[in-house]
Amino acid sequence: AQTVTQSQPEMSVQEAETVTLSCTYDTSESNYYLFWYKQPPSRQMILVIRQEAYKQQNATENRFSVNFQKAAKSFSLKISDSQLGDTAMYFCAFMFEGYDMRFGAGTRLTVKP
Amino acid sequence: DVKVTQSSRYLVKRTGEKVFLECVQDMDHENMFWYRQDPGLGLRLIYFSYDVKMKEKGDIPEGYSVSREKKERFSLILESASTNQTSMYLCASSSAGTGPLFFGSGTQLSVL
Repeated sequence: AQTVTQSQPEMSVQEAETVTLSCTYDTSESNYYLFWYKQPPSRQMILVIRQEAYKQQNATENRFSVNFQKAAKSFSLKISDSQLGDTAMYFCAFMFEGYDMRFGAGTRLTVKP
Repeated sequence: DVKVTQSSRYLVKRTGEKVFLECVQDMDHENMFWYRQDPGLGLRLIYFSYDVKMKEKGDIPEGYSVSREKKERFSLILESASTNQTSMYLCASSSAGTGPLFFGSGTQLSVL
């Protein structure tokens, strides 16, 4: 069974600095998809970024980028120029088939002014 | 804009009550999901549906059932609510294939 591990329950960062959230996963599959979701205090889950395992190039979305290491089964999220609005829970997720998305336990990120 | 709507944001029920959580999506998505979110445990899949009237158990289906009579609507039913079902419930939908999930804003259920 696929599992997702986020080893950092809480993190904090100063506004405008860079922070990296860690995620590892376990799977025997070769083709799959990885996601980072953000859940602010409003509780709305928001898709931040998506990575296809067959693509070697790391995905980027504005200030958000990933470091995808397939052999190491690692999928970290880097947030550059952190903003107060980035304060949220961040969930790493793995999907092999379209109806089986697995989530990590989450990392609570606080951006300090 | 894509939209997944959950009927209640907060719900308080008594032990033993039958509880219905409703979810509607307007994206014509084939797949719909119910997750439960608890601190330190992330999101755990209760049930999902890949078509009308079709359902599959997720990781924690015990104590829950679901109904999908129309493509846009997916209901989660607690037949006899218990205190250990106090939690945040999230509904999601996705298109067929490996599209991302789109989530509703959640229902915080308290069972007293």
